[in-house]
Amino acid sequence: NAGVTQTPKFRVLKTGQSMTLLCAQDMNHEYMYWYRQDPGMGLRLIHYSVGEGTTAKGEVPDGYNVSRLKKQNFLLGLESAAPSQTSVYFCASSYSTRGQTQYFGPGTRLLVL
Amino acid sequence: KNEVEQSPQNLTAQEGEFITINCSYSVGISALHWLQQHPGGGIVSLFMLSSGKKKHGRLIATINIQEKHSSLHITASHPRDSAVYICAVYSGNQFYFGTGTSLTVIP
Repeated sequence: NAGVTQTPKFRVLKTGQSMTLLCAQDMNHEYMYWYRQDPGMGLRLIHYSVGEGTTAKGEVPDGYNVSRLKKQNFLLGLESAAPSQTSVYFCASSYSTRGQTQYFGPGTRLLVL
Repeated sequence: KNEVEQSPQNLTAQEGEFITINCSYSVGISALHWLQQHPGGGIVSLFMLSSGKKKHGRLIATINIQEKHSSLHITASHPRDSAVYICAVYSGNQFYFGTGTSLTVIP
């Protein structure tokens, strides 16, 4: 089992460009999450999903959109990237209730110039 | 306002030392997690606690619900334990994460 995978691992964007980060999990988990990690701050939740076809906003959703068309995939989109979105992005999944153990992907490092 | 505070922020230890990392939180919780983030960036879950104490190998995690405090102990520390340790609490349908404790174990 691959667990949670993220694509790409690293990306450089210019301000205003768009991109999609892909998260995939092969553990049949219902819950999936997107976090960002910035220096000196804890992980912050961007969006999450409690099942296929559902999405919800987290703590810092502005500037991002998500989709969960298939249970195993959770996509994070940046429509018009800004330098403030330079960060490391982590995807995670968990089996059921959100208090349970989360399994994290390896992260995507994004630099917006 | 930080719901989760960790101490110390940075910690350097000699190999073999006993290490304690502390986590205090200000909200009512249903679960507390300890995570380990390796220098390469990957994050793994070490423990999930709702009460008492758990042990896995050289790692021990304790929680005191009344005092809203948890500790992560590492016995006989080893250079491979060098990582960032993150405390996270689950409260009101969301996770709150600490900023992490960076541990370096010197041979």
